[in-house]
Amino acid sequence: KQEVTQIPAALSVPEGENLVLNCSFTDSAIYNLQWFRQDPGKGLTSLLLIQSSQREQTSGRLNASLDKSSGRSTLYIAASQPGDSATYLCAVSPRRSNDYKLSFGAGTTVTVRA
Amino acid sequence: NAGVTQTPKFQVLKTGQSMTLQCAQDMNHEYMSWYRQDPGMGLRLIHYSVGAGITDQGEVPNGYNVSRSTTEDFPLRLLSAAPSQTSVYFCATARGNEQYFGPGTRLTVT
Repeated sequence: KQEVTQIPAALSVPEGENLVLNCSFTDSAIYNLQWFRQDPGKGLTSLLLIQSSQREQTSGRLNASLDKSSGRSTLYIAASQPGDSATYLCAVSPRRSNDYKLSFGAGTTVTVRA
Repeated sequence: NAGVTQTPKFQVLKTGQSMTLQCAQDMNHEYMSWYRQDPGMGLRLIHYSVGAGITDQGEVPNGYNVSRSTTEDFPLRLLSAAPSQTSVYFCATARGNEQYFGPGTRLTVT
């Protein structure tokens, strides 16, 4: 059974500091890994998706890396802003394509202080 | 396009009551699923469907029923609510590499 762990559970930083969020998973036989953002009382918004054959993906100030062999992914958010305050979730898909069952971590709650 | 919609947004039930959480999508996606989110835990898969007429169990199916008579709708039924079913419920669809989540239903069972 795939286990996904996110450390730390919570993070508070001053505005402008870079954020580093960690995700680890126990079974390296994954199809892809996704990072989601969740605002309080809201649904999930996909931020980045990394295929198992890729090492990283970038979108604006966000960069996600994947080391499948060691079961780790890191989400970097450069020059954090108060609007980045949210919970960030990582999720992995099993090896087969068209199998959309996701295994989620518990999330890292980020607070960016103005 | 509305995407994925869920009703109601909030619900309070007494133990033993039944109810149906509604989920609808207008993206014509074959795959739909239900997750629950509890404090300190990741989202956990309850049931999923790969198309109309086809459903299957996820990680935590006990106490929940589903059916899929149309592509658009995927209701989740609680036949006899229990306090352990207090949670936030999310419906999602998927196509290709993309997953789309609804805004959630916050359910409290007293």
